[in-house]
Amino acid sequence: AQTVTQSQPEMSVQEAETVTLSCTYDTSESDYYLFWYKQPPSRQMILVIRQEAYKQQNATENRFSVNFQKAAKSFSLKISDSQLGDAAMYFCAYRSRGADGLTFGKGTHLIIQP
Amino acid sequence: DAMVIQNPRYQVTQFGKPVTLSCSQTLNHNVMYWYQQKSSQAPKLLFHYYDKDFNNEADTPDNFQSRRPNTSFCFLDIRSPGLGDAAMYLCATSSTGSMNTEAFFGQGTRLTVV
Repeated sequence: AQTVTQSQPEMSVQEAETVTLSCTYDTSESDYYLFWYKQPPSRQMILVIRQEAYKQQNATENRFSVNFQKAAKSFSLKISDSQLGDAAMYFCAYRSRGADGLTFGKGTHLIIQP
Repeated sequence: DAMVIQNPRYQVTQFGKPVTLSCSQTLNHNVMYWYQQKSSQAPKLLFHYYDKDFNNEADTPDNFQSRRPNTSFCFLDIRSPGLGDAAMYLCATSSTGSMNTEAFFGQGTRLTVV
């Protein structure tokens, strides 16, 4: 079974600064997908960024980028120019190929200081 | 433009009284998932439907059942809710027929057991 570990229960960053959220995972599979999801308080979970394991290039989406280290099984999220609207719970998630569901980490609560 | 809709948003049920949560989608996705998310924890997959095929997670209690009468709708039935079943229940969908691998989530139903 796959496991996902987020070692930072809470992170705090000043508005406009950069923050990196950590995620490691364990799997014996070679082909899979990794995701970062954002869950604001009382709002639905939305996708921030995705990475296919077979792609060496790190995914980027505007201010969000990942550092994917397949050999180290590490998948960190960097948020540049942090904004107040980025405050939320961030979940790292793993998915095998096919229709299997997501395996989530325990989440990191991101606080943005004005 | 709501794509995954869960009803109701909040549900209060009595201990031991059967309750049904509903989920509908306008995305025509062939896979639908149910997750349980307890307070300050990661979502945990209960089961999913791949088209009409039901896939139960090994550790999902028998107390939880699901129905998918058609592509658009999926229901979560809790036969005899206990206090420990109080949680947020998240419905999600995905498509195996597209290059998009992400799951789309509803806003969730928060279940309280009294």
